[in-house]
Amino acid sequence: GAGVSQSPRYKVAKRGQDVALRCDPISGHVSLFWYQQALGQGPEFLTYFQNEAQLDKSGLPSDRFFAERPEGSVSTLKIQRTQQEDSAVYLCASSPRTGGYEQYFGPGTRLTVT
Amino acid sequence: GQNIDQPTEMTATEGAIVQINCTYQTSGFNGLFWYQQHAGEAPTFLSYNVLDGLEEKGRFSSFLSRSKGYSYLLLKELQMKDSASYLCAAYSGYALNFGKGTSLLVTP
Repeated sequence: GAGVSQSPRYKVAKRGQDVALRCDPISGHVSLFWYQQALGQGPEFLTYFQNEAQLDKSGLPSDRFFAERPEGSVSTLKIQRTQQEDSAVYLCASSPRTGGYEQYFGPGTRLTVT
Repeated sequence: GQNIDQPTEMTATEGAIVQINCTYQTSGFNGLFWYQQHAGEAPTFLSYNVLDGLEEKGRFSSFLSRSKGYSYLLLKELQMKDSASYLCAAYSGYALNFGKGTSLLVTP
């Protein structure tokens, strides 16, 4: 069956531009997570949704980062006024369970801010 | 807070056995995951330990000691395709707290 998909796979933005990254989770998955992975590092938690409710956004690095999942399926991570330090791979993961056990990761969006 | 430590790089020979260690200090610990990540690809699940002891799955085994805050991933009969980054992640609540990953290079 279809896995987690993310689009675009690659995004180049000029500093100061806004970007929107999309995640299509596995159909029916309740939980959705966003992670940020800098080069040579492990993924770092950004935010967690259970259905349409954003239960934890403690990992979002600044108020320029905003995530939504309005209908409990597709999610969008938006970054306003991008900065060079935002350059990273943004990974989305979904889980059929509430909570983080059994997470399936998407291929990620590589964001480069120039 | 969360603190996950694992070696940055390891090299091993095709056909050999390699052990990748991970130590963790984390609140609300619920278990320990190992993921494999090839360059430019998504992390893929390898193993999950919640109780102390060894879990064996084919060529891969994972061990956990909760009292010591320690885990290892054991890879046997190494193949060239095992060259990848191996991520240790402590599971607490719902979030996965990842280490920086161990880059494993398998040489002929």
